[in-house]
Order: sequence, then structure tokens, then C-alpha cells
Amino acid sequence: ETGVTQTPRHLVMGMTNKKSLKCEQHLGHNAMYWYKQSAKKPLELMFVYSLEERVENNSVPSRFSPECPNSSHLFLHLHTLQPEDSALYLCASSQDRGTRGGYTFGSGTRLTVV
Amino acid sequence: TQLLEQSPQFLSIQEGENLTVYCNSSSVFSSLQWYRQEPGEGPVLLVTVVTGGEVKKLKRLTFQFGDARKDSSLHITAAQTGDTGLYLCALRGNAGGTSYGKLTFGQGTILTVHP
Repeated sequence: ETGVTQTPRHLVMGMTNKKSLKCEQHLGHNAMYWYKQSAKKPLELMFVYSLEERVENNSVPSRFSPECPNSSHLFLHLHTLQPEDSALYLCASSQDRGTRGGYTFGSGTRLTVV
Repeated sequence: TQLLEQSPQFLSIQEGENLTVYCNSSSVFSSLQWYRQEPGEGPVLLVTVVTGGEVKKLKRLTFQFGDARKDSSLHITAAQTGDTGLYLCALRGNAGGTSYGKLTFGQGTILTVHP
């Protein structure tokens, strides 16, 4: 039990499909994050939400669309993805906006685009 | 943007051996975190180091923060097969500025401990 739950764990989708990834935390954290993890590359920060407001968007293509309806839930909406978008998508949360707290990660969604 | 370099990228050892992995940057860290990630799971926080020269121990794991706060090391004594995983260092914020909390990760060290 990590405290951050991601669904689904695995997803295979075609390039014309629309799907959504879900992340849920009940740790009372006030910031949530989406990261992309590809083989042989460092974890890449995609989006940051702090107090339900998007505070960072790291030049992510518009085919990825985040949504944070409340402090406990975070979504990543996917549409018209490309094969190179296949990766492990990790959600994380943290308590503070300072520089010392750790992140709690979910187990990730393994996405395969065919 | 600060970059973190981790070395070695891959490490394959026998159970019972000792090992050290390194994390370096050209810039000063305000704090540094170490995570371990097992296959099919997300990273799990092991430790946060804040003070230059700080040493923290977690059972067989020893974490050290360089005096100048630009480097860190993780030493594992008598490695076990359960130590197998991806070890990531991450920095959060800059010493001289503010960063609301964004973590920047190194590329990681893949450790395999053979029985």
C-alpha cells in the first residue's frame, strides 16, 4: 500500500483512441505530479498541480491533457498518441511545496501505443 | 536546469559484496533524495540529506552528502538479492533560490545482486 493508487496498471491503445489515466491519493498531500519514465532516460516531469492549480507544464504535447478536479485526484487524458509515447506513467504526491519533503509515487501505468 | 549524473549506470554483483553508487552535479543542492524502484513499481523514498557532510544510515545502506553539497553517495554493505532495483537520486530546489518542490532525477543505477 503506497498511498497513491494508479489505474489502470496496464493499457494498450491505438493511435486513434482516447483514454484516461487516473491517480488517487488520500495522504492529505497538496501537490500532485505526472512523470513519464522511458527506457534509458531519466524520469521526466510532465505536469505539476499544487492546491489543484496547474503550476508547471514542461512542454508536453497537447495530446496529453491533465485534469485535477480536487486535491485527491489527478487524471491524464490521452488522445491520438504516438508509438513513442509508450512508457511508464507515474503519478506522485507530496505534502508541501518546500524543498525537503519526499514524493510518494504510485505503481504507474504501463502504456503501450500500437 | 541542474543536471544530475549517476554512476555507474549498471552494477552487477554477487550477494555479500559491498557497493557504492554516486550522484554528482556541477551545482549546489539544497537537499538530495535517494529513491529505490523495483520492477513494475514506482520509486520509493529511502532518505533525504540536507546538510553538507551529513551521513545517514538505513540498516545496511549508508548515505553521504558531500561537504560542498554537490555530490552524494549510497553505500550498501553485504548486498542481498532483495537490494536489486533501480536507485535514483533526485534534487529538490536550489540552494540559492526557491523551487516549489519540483524533483529532478538522475538517470539511475540499475543494481542486480546475484545469489
